[in-house]
Amino acid sequence: KNQVEQSPQSLIILEGKNCTLQCNYTVSPFSNLRWYKQDTGRGPVSLTIMTFSENTKSNGRYTATLDADTKQSSLHITASQLSDSASYICVVSLSNDYKLSFGAGTTVTVRA
Amino acid sequence: NAGVTQTPKFQVLKTGQSMTLQCAQDMNHEYMSWYRQDPGMGLRLIHYSVGAGITDQGEVPNGYNVSRSTTEDFPLRLLSAAPSQTSVYFCASSPTAGQITNEQYFGPGTRLTVT
Repeated sequence: KNQVEQSPQSLIILEGKNCTLQCNYTVSPFSNLRWYKQDTGRGPVSLTIMTFSENTKSNGRYTATLDADTKQSSLHITASQLSDSASYICVVSLSNDYKLSFGAGTTVTVRA
Repeated sequence: NAGVTQTPKFQVLKTGQSMTLQCAQDMNHEYMSWYRQDPGMGLRLIHYSVGAGITDQGEVPNGYNVSRSTTEDFPLRLLSAAPSQTSVYFCASSPTAGQITNEQYFGPGTRLTVT
């Protein structure tokens, strides 16, 4: 069973609308959580990183939240643009291991 | 900087053939890794390296070999290709092997089909 679960699997939104993606994880001991954006045919690119003590971080129109107690994170996209169409991947790293735990991703499609 | 480069971008192999996927980075990163990405699944770690001359197995190492003779290069070898190895392969690098700032810089990927 994947230790990082993302929902929804995919979503379609109209340009200009907002959306929120969810990430629940069970891995421990937790070090940090990153959200990556992966455009079609490209490698993932980091959007945000959140450590245990942080609960909100923004990068332009992207805002990530973290609740380390409930082991949940969300990524909110504000005023979506066509260029936001991509897969968004939640990645959790442990404090005692080099290896990362990847979610399967949420595919976002923004339509004009 | 070119970042992380991968070649080839696409490859078709017949079952039983061998090949090497190339990966190079010009950022002097210590940590390099190979992942495969399959539909509906998260990226899975194949092999990784924390520095030149040091490699270790990841989550799904069977059927793959790696070596790290230089800091820059980290090739992935498929010994005898099988249809189950049809996937998209990503190479990634990170400045250090530590956990505090472990942003992975990914290459553009190699799409491999084994028939």
